[in-house]
Amino acid sequence: EAQVTQNPRYLITVTGKKLTVTCSQNMNHEYMSWYRQDPGLGLRQIYYSMNVEVTDKGDVPEGYKVSRKEKRNFPLILESPSPNQTSLYFCASAVAGGPDTQYFGPGTRLTVL
Amino acid sequence: QQQVKQSPQSLIVQKGGISIINCAYENTAFDYFPWYQQFPGKGPALLIAIRPDVSEKKEGRFTISFNKSAKQFSLHIMDSQPGDSATYFCAARRSSGDKLTFGTGTRLAVRP
Repeated sequence: EAQVTQNPRYLITVTGKKLTVTCSQNMNHEYMSWYRQDPGLGLRQIYYSMNVEVTDKGDVPEGYKVSRKEKRNFPLILESPSPNQTSLYFCASAVAGGPDTQYFGPGTRLTVL
Repeated sequence: QQQVKQSPQSLIVQKGGISIINCAYENTAFDYFPWYQQFPGKGPALLIAIRPDVSEKKEGRFTISFNKSAKQFSLHIMDSQPGDSATYFCAARRSSGDKLTFGTGTRLAVRP
């Protein structure tokens, strides 16, 4: 089954404790992206990657890091999480040439205390 | 800066009625306008999309109307059903861009 998977689905952590949210897709997509969803703000892009070893900032990159060492994986790293990073996070992937149709993962709900 | 403005924030419609969600954009370089549907606990999924060379696109009960001069587009859900209850996001993409810009979302509830 073609899908985007994220782990963990739920995470409660404390301020300053480094964490990684994994994202993996099995559709051989070149494009991958991370979003955060907050009430009243919609989906805002954090980082995206057009291909392996190519990443770029989205609209709200502060406090986040990403890496793209393999085509299928695109982990999101929070080096020192803060309460304002409490949010619902989505990973998405798409075929090369632009994100015309993005396939989203099921989401990771992160709470930073 | 909100490049894609979506309204209303929430919408309640009776079963069988028409649901209408509106979006407006500012960047004339946008050339692809999709709508995504998100059910509770799930990620968004592409519902329907339009390019500015047409004024309307219909897929089943879902229709996008596009007004290029007004820089507006809307989603119409005909014969709305309780199963349509979800959050809907409009989005836009530039022809030379690498990312989608999303609206703030509309939570639709269809009453039986």
